[in-house]
Amino acid sequence: ETGVTQTPRHLVMGMTNKKSLKCEQHLGHNAMYWYKQSAKKPLELMFVYSLEERVENNSVPSRFSPECPNSSHLFLHLHTLQPEDSALYLCASSQDTGGPSGGITDTQYFGPGTRLTVL
Amino acid sequence: AQKVTQAQTEISVVEKEDVTLDCVYETRDTTYYLFWYKQPPSGELVFLIRRNSFDEQNEISGRYSWNFQKSTSSFNFTITASQVVDSAVYFCALSGSGAGSYQLTFGKGTKLSVIP
Repeated sequence: ETGVTQTPRHLVMGMTNKKSLKCEQHLGHNAMYWYKQSAKKPLELMFVYSLEERVENNSVPSRFSPECPNSSHLFLHLHTLQPEDSALYLCASSQDTGGPSGGITDTQYFGPGTRLTVL
Repeated sequence: AQKVTQAQTEISVVEKEDVTLDCVYETRDTTYYLFWYKQPPSGELVFLIRRNSFDEQNEISGRYSWNFQKSTSSFNFTITASQVVDSAVYFCALSGSGAGSYQLTFGKGTKLSVIP
């Protein structure tokens, strides 16, 4: 595997289900990101992890719970979602040269996304 | 606050025509980075180019070229001799430097359709 991979590619879930999205990067990067892409809206940054620490959380509802067990893996745990949460969820990684206190990050490379439908 | 505007929502061209995608940005940072990404129907965002604010040289990569003009805060993207495989949504994005520079601010994208 190369680059950034995401599983599953498609997910349909009911509002009472619990599911998880998985992201794995094979680029040796130390920062990982979750983005949400809804129809007709710009990409929205949800979470950022740098060196396995969460450094940014853009007011995301608690029904989305990220987990970064190591620098290569990132999860997004989903529970009691709403239909408006249906979207394409994209994972990205980059090499962060500044650390959690801030600094210049390198280019973000994206995975293919998980198309989530909440019924 | 940072902002990226891609005024063209959708563009259609006939194969082999040249096409320019516009991008205008706003930032208060003196050091910043500009990007273009391509999103084909498969969904993956494919990185095309990164340019820092101190490098205003135009860049050419095959049929792709980019025109960065700080004076007009624009970073336009031209595809020469377009091909059907160029059909995708193209996003322009901006990031700052220093604390909080993780944030990539994206434009809304321009959907390019290349008709055979």
